[in-house]
Amino acid sequence: KAGVTQTPRYLIKTRGQQVTLSCSPISGHRSVSWYQQTPGQGLQFLFEYFSETQRNKGNFPGRFSGRQFSNSRSEMNVSTLELGDSALYLCASSSGLAGGPPYNEQFFGPGTRLTVL
Amino acid sequence: AQTVTQSQPEMSVQEAETVTLSCTYDTSESDYYLFWYKQPPSRQMILVIRQEAYKQQNATENRFSVNFQKAAKSFSLKISDSQLGDAAMYFCAYRSAFEMNNNAGNMLTFGGGTRLMVKP
Repeated sequence: KAGVTQTPRYLIKTRGQQVTLSCSPISGHRSVSWYQQTPGQGLQFLFEYFSETQRNKGNFPGRFSGRQFSNSRSEMNVSTLELGDSALYLCASSSGLAGGPPYNEQFFGPGTRLTVL
Repeated sequence: AQTVTQSQPEMSVQEAETVTLSCTYDTSESDYYLFWYKQPPSRQMILVIRQEAYKQQNATENRFSVNFQKAAKSFSLKISDSQLGDAAMYFCAYRSAFEMNNNAGNMLTFGGGTRLMVKP
């Protein structure tokens, strides 16, 4: 079974631009969660999508948004980029269902490294 | 809201020795899951071990074991016979069982991480 894939792996943008990151979950998984990882704030939950609906949201400004398609692939978008948005963005996929096997484990992708100049 | 704290930013261990990484958490829930994830330099997060709060028995996975103290809200990871490949960032994480069991979410709350160095 193929793992979680994220594209692109590296991205350089300038302040004020917008960016779209993509995450393809493991086949059959319906939940995709996004996390931001920075040296200062650590790993922080952005949002989770399940069956094309946002099921949970972290404490991030509205510039951060996402969506999920019918094939469970997910995209996250950051508009009006700021220097502080430079981070590793990780997505994780799981079945998303109560009682899903095993323990509804989340499988992480390799991440997208975003640098904002 | 739940919080997870890892008080050791860095630890080092001699190859073949044993090391224990600490994690404490705060929650008002009675049912939850706890995890240890490993993040090597490749940045790929890998699940090391999990513990269900309702289970008294400590989880074990080969050289990795946990010491789960529910009353103290403590969840430490013990790595035995440390190997060079164990060098990585280790994150402790919490997940609500209520959210999961009610299809209400799958959010992980992470600690700040501990960088483990293994000396040959």
